[in-house]
Amino acid sequence: AQSVTQPDIHITVSEGASLELRCNYSYGATPYLFWYVQSPGQGLQLLLKYFSGDTLVQGIKGFEAEFKRSQSSFNLRKPSVHWSDAAEYFCAVGGPPSGTYKYIFGTGTRLKVLA
Amino acid sequence: EAGVAQSPRYKIIEKRQSVAFWCNPISGHATLYWYQQILGQGPKLLIQFQNNGVVDDSQLPKDRFSAERLKGVDSTLKIQPAKLEDSAVYLCASSSDREGQLFFGSGTQLSVL
Repeated sequence: AQSVTQPDIHITVSEGASLELRCNYSYGATPYLFWYVQSPGQGLQLLLKYFSGDTLVQGIKGFEAEFKRSQSSFNLRKPSVHWSDAAEYFCAVGGPPSGTYKYIFGTGTRLKVLA
Repeated sequence: EAGVAQSPRYKIIEKRQSVAFWCNPISGHATLYWYQQILGQGPKLLIQFQNNGVVDDSQLPKDRFSAERLKGVDSTLKIQPAKLEDSAVYLCASSSDREGQLFFGSGTQLSVL
């Protein structure tokens, strides 16, 4: 069965500290992987995506993620967190098994940033 | 490029009432999705359209939820009658297979009292 696991429900970091949000997936085929961010009262915004090629992908706002096939993981990282990064982060997996994209989302990780 | 438009932003109703949400996707996007996001959870797919045909509605509670996408453009999602557990944010998203990513609207926050 296809699934996405985000083990950390809440994470608190100090401003300027590094950040890593974990994501593990189960998917029958080669996955397409995504990270989205959701600020309060807003829809989801794409941070980055991985389809193929270089396993380290760069996204917006200084985020990056690394695809590790052997670990079925796609962890999100940022070297130095800013207070404006406080939000909820969702990992998603999907792909076009039959010509149309289907996406499954994790339960999210809520990031709190301390000044 | 205009984004995905949704209305209303907020809706408060009493249980057993009906409610409808509207979504206009990004121009040219063939695929439209409705997701339900309950507080503290990730988005859950309710229904997926490809043009005006349904691709996946396996998680849509069909006894009370209905959706349509006339002419393959905008879409409406209806709940009738609403239950307390329907309180959630309803997100509309669209995609073009060429881009392979979802573009989300701001969502409709529904409170059922």
